[in-house]
Amino acid sequence: EVQLVESGGALVQPGRSLRLSCAASGFIFDDYAMHWVRQGPGKGLEWVSGISWNSGSIGYADSVKGRFTISRDNAKNSLYLQLSSLRPEDTALYYCAKDSLMEPRAVFDSWGQGTLVTVSS
Amino acid sequence: QSALTQPASVSGSPGQSITISCTGTSSDIGSYNLVSWYQQHPGKAPKLKIYEDSKRPSGLSNRFSGSKSGNTASLTISGLQAEDEADYYCCSYAGSSTSLFGGGTKLTVL
Repeated sequence: EVQLVESGGALVQPGRSLRLSCAASGFIFDDYAMHWVRQGPGKGLEWVSGISWNSGSIGYADSVKGRFTISRDNAKNSLYLQLSSLRPEDTALYYCAKDSLMEPRAVFDSWGQGTLVTVSS
Repeated sequence: QSALTQPASVSGSPGQSITISCTGTSSDIGSYNLVSWYQQHPGKAPKLKIYEDSKRPSGLSNRFSGSKSGNTASLTISGLQAEDEADYYCCSYAGSSTSLFGGGTKLTVL
């Protein structure tokens, strides 16, 4: 059974940084692309970033480009998201999602339960 | 990157069929056979219902079907059931390893 467990969410002040992690199990991690998707309070889903199986292809939403960095460690079956220069509008539940393909192609077939990031002074 | 356009809400009675539309552009929906649909119940993680425009994950109900014409994709749910009441989101690959979601549609089963 595929399991994705996010961690690292916290209450942080605007301008500060945070690192989210996603521990994956139940599948061959380095065979699939991975993504971060967020959902603000009472809002819809927003794709944040995706990374291919070998980190060779990476994409970001315009809203986070230059501030967030996605990475993965296939030896540790883990996905990461480094959040910098945080803004109040980054407040959201951040989901880790598995793609069904090796390249990030927006087919999210498994999701974690999310980790909450709150940006406030 | 602009979000895909979905109706804010749709409704239907048990047993009826409903269709949710998702409109994008020639740079996303119109360029790739990579539209997917997700169902989200309150407080829960989203669940994949349709991928690659019209394919169903194995084991999922055939009451859910997807289609696409030009820059618009559609999700049809037939034989509506109370448990189908949820939020539905479309998503499309948009090139250069990026993706776009729609704003979401709230389905009410009357």
